[in-house]
Amino acid sequence: DVKVTQSSRYLVKRTGEKVFLECVQDMDHENMFWYRQDPGLGLRLIYFSYDVKMKEKGDIPEGYSVSREKKERFSLILESASTNQTSMYLCATLGQGALSGANVLTFGAGSRLTVL
Amino acid sequence: SQQGEEDPQALSIQEGENATMNCSYKTSINNLQWYRQNSGRGLVHLILIRSNEREKHSGRLRVTLDTSKKSSSLLITASRAADTASYFCATARSDSWGKLQFGAGTQVVVTP
Repeated sequence: DVKVTQSSRYLVKRTGEKVFLECVQDMDHENMFWYRQDPGLGLRLIYFSYDVKMKEKGDIPEGYSVSREKKERFSLILESASTNQTSMYLCATLGQGALSGANVLTFGAGSRLTVL
Repeated sequence: SQQGEEDPQALSIQEGENATMNCSYKTSINNLQWYRQNSGRGLVHLILIRSNEREKHSGRLRVTLDTSKKSSSLLITASRAADTASYFCATARSDSWGKLQFGAGTQVVVTP
């Protein structure tokens, strides 16, 4: 089974701090994604990467950047955290589903970030 | 922007009953997927239905897709307390390879 590991389950940071959220996958998936999840809004795509050093903006990239130096690792960076970035952050990889053969997402457990 | 919208937002049922939730979307899709999220955890893929399919089954799950109405439904039969979770539909748009767009989810509570 694909495993997606997010290094921090809970973080508390102060406004203006730089925040790193790390995500590591143990399969050879090329595509990796960062979503944020807020009540009533569902999941919104922040950034995704389809290869090492390649990245594309999602629907809400403002205030975020990403880094993909190695295939297995995809990092989300908040350059200067703000209170409106308090949220649940979910990392995912895209790979072929065992039953369907189509591309499905495998998610990490999530990182709940609180910015004070 | 949200592509899929689930209905209802919340659903409370007894064990053994069936749970039905619906998803509507706006644009042409390649496939539609359903995911489950237990409280405070990541999402888990449940089932996928392609745009040329009308119905799909997997265990106690039944998914239908009506592309003319741009809607899908997920039925969980004989629900159990362990089915308590949030359920999300996600669409793979025809013009946006690899990027799934999610709705806000349906929160299902199954009481013993």
